[in-house]
Amino acid sequence: ETAVFQTPNYHVTQVGNEVSFNCKQTLGHDTMYWYKQDSKKLLKIMFSYNNKQLIVNETVPRRFSPQSSDKAHLNLRIKSVEPEDSAVYLCASSRLASQNTLYFGAGTRLSVL
Amino acid sequence: QQQVRQSPQSLTVWEGETAILNCSYENSAFDYFPWYQQFPGEGPALLIAIRSVSDKKEDGRFTIFFNKREKKLSLHITDSQPGDSATYFCAASGTGNTGKLIFGLGTTLQVQP
Repeated sequence: ETAVFQTPNYHVTQVGNEVSFNCKQTLGHDTMYWYKQDSKKLLKIMFSYNNKQLIVNETVPRRFSPQSSDKAHLNLRIKSVEPEDSAVYLCASSRLASQNTLYFGAGTRLSVL
Repeated sequence: QQQVRQSPQSLTVWEGETAILNCSYENSAFDYFPWYQQFPGEGPALLIAIRSVSDKKEDGRFTIFFNKREKKLSLHITDSQPGDSATYFCAASGTGNTGKLIFGLGTTLQVQP
C-alpha cells in the first residue's frame, strides 16, 4: 500500500528551465529524504529533513533546493536544470532519523533535453 | 569511490534454485545493513536487515550472512521464484549517522521459470 506519494511521475523539460517535484507521506513519520537514482541505478542521498529541519545536505549543486512546509511534505525545486540532472528522484520517509526503515515513493523520472 | 560494493551486477537462476548476492563495505563504523528490493517503476522497499552484532538474519526464504572481520555480507534467496526477479540493493549506515544510508549499485536478479 502506497504511503509516500510523489508527483509528477514523469517530467520532460529543457535545459535551463525550473522544475518542482512534490512529495507527501501519510505515515506520520518525522524524517523525510530526497534520493537521486541515476542511470546506473546508484541511489544517492541529497537531503533529509527531521521535523521540518534540514539535517543532511549532501554536496549537491546549489540549483537544488528542498522545501518543507510541514513534516509530511518535502518538495524539491531545481532551478535551471542541466542534462546531468536527468534521473529518477525518490522521496522517502522514516520514523526516526537514524537507522530506521526507509519507505520510498515510486519516484519522479526527470528527462532534460 | 564506492563505499558499498555489490556483486555480481546481474544474476540469473532457475526457479527453485538458491540465489546468492554479495556485498562488501569499507567503513568499519557501519553497523546496520539493510537490503532493499526494487521492481521496475517502483521505489525500493526494505526486504531484510541485519546489525553488526549478529552474523545471521533469517526471514522466510531470505537470509543474510554477515562476516564482520572480512566486512562482507551476502543475501541468500532459497527456492527462488519468478516474482523475486528485481534489483537488490545492499546498504549500510553507522550509529548516529542521521539515517544516511550508503547504497551499493545493486544486483539485478532474474529468476527463470
